[in-house]
Amino acid sequence: GQNIDQPTEMTATEGAIVQINCTYQTSGFNGLFWYQQHAGEAPTFLSYNVLDGLEEKGRFSSFLSRSKGYSYLLLKELQMKDSASYLCAVRDSNYQLIWGAGTKLIIKP
Amino acid sequence: IAGITQAPTSQILAAGRRMTLRCTQDMRHNAMYWYRQDLGLGLRLIHYSNTAGTTGKGEVPDGYSVSRANTDDFPLTLASAVPSQTSVYFCASSEGSGGPGELFFGEGSRLTVL
Repeated sequence: GQNIDQPTEMTATEGAIVQINCTYQTSGFNGLFWYQQHAGEAPTFLSYNVLDGLEEKGRFSSFLSRSKGYSYLLLKELQMKDSASYLCAVRDSNYQLIWGAGTKLIIKP
Repeated sequence: IAGITQAPTSQILAAGRRMTLRCTQDMRHNAMYWYRQDLGLGLRLIHYSNTAGTTGKGEVPDGYSVSRANTDDFPLTLASAVPSQTSVYFCASSEGSGGPGELFFGEGSRLTVL
C-alpha cells in the first residue's frame, strides 16, 4: 500500500530551527509537496520538490532524496505565527496526491 | 480576492437528509477536487474533475456525488447523510488537468451529521 509518515507533533522555541521529516512509500513518484495549515483554516502551498536536493524559499527550505523516499521541511528563525500543521503529500505514478496526516508544530516563546 | 468559495462554512445535519456543499472558483482552473479531513488522517480525495463535463472517483467516493457543469462550480452532494460523514470538507483547484500541481483550497465546510 501507499504510505506517508510524519511525526504527529513537534515543539520548538521561537527563534530556533526545526526540521520536519516525511518518509514515503508510494507507487511511483512525480513530486512532493509541503503545505501549511493553521488551525481551522485551509492548507496553503509551501514548496514542491521533484529532483533531489534542497529548495530554499526565505525562512523555509525543503529537501528531497528520492532514493531514500525521504523529505524534510526546514524552518529557520521560528516565529509564533509558524505554529501550524505541516502536511507532506506525494504525487504518485497515476498523478494522484497521497497525503500524510500532518505534523502539528507548537512554537514556545 | 480571487480564489475558491465554499458554502456553507458549517452545518449540522440529521442523518438521512440530503445535503449539497457548494464550491465556486474564479481562477479559471481546469481541475477541481473534493477532500475530507478527519483528525489523525491525511486529506482523502472524494471526487475530482479534470475539466468541465468530466468527473472521477477518488479514494473515498461512496455516499457522495459530484457534477461539473461548468468550469467554475463543483458541488458535492450527500444523498443520504450518515454520522461517518461528519468531517471537514475542502474544495480545491489546480491550474492543470494532468494531475494536481499546486492546489488552492477553499476555507472548508464543517459538517456534523447526527
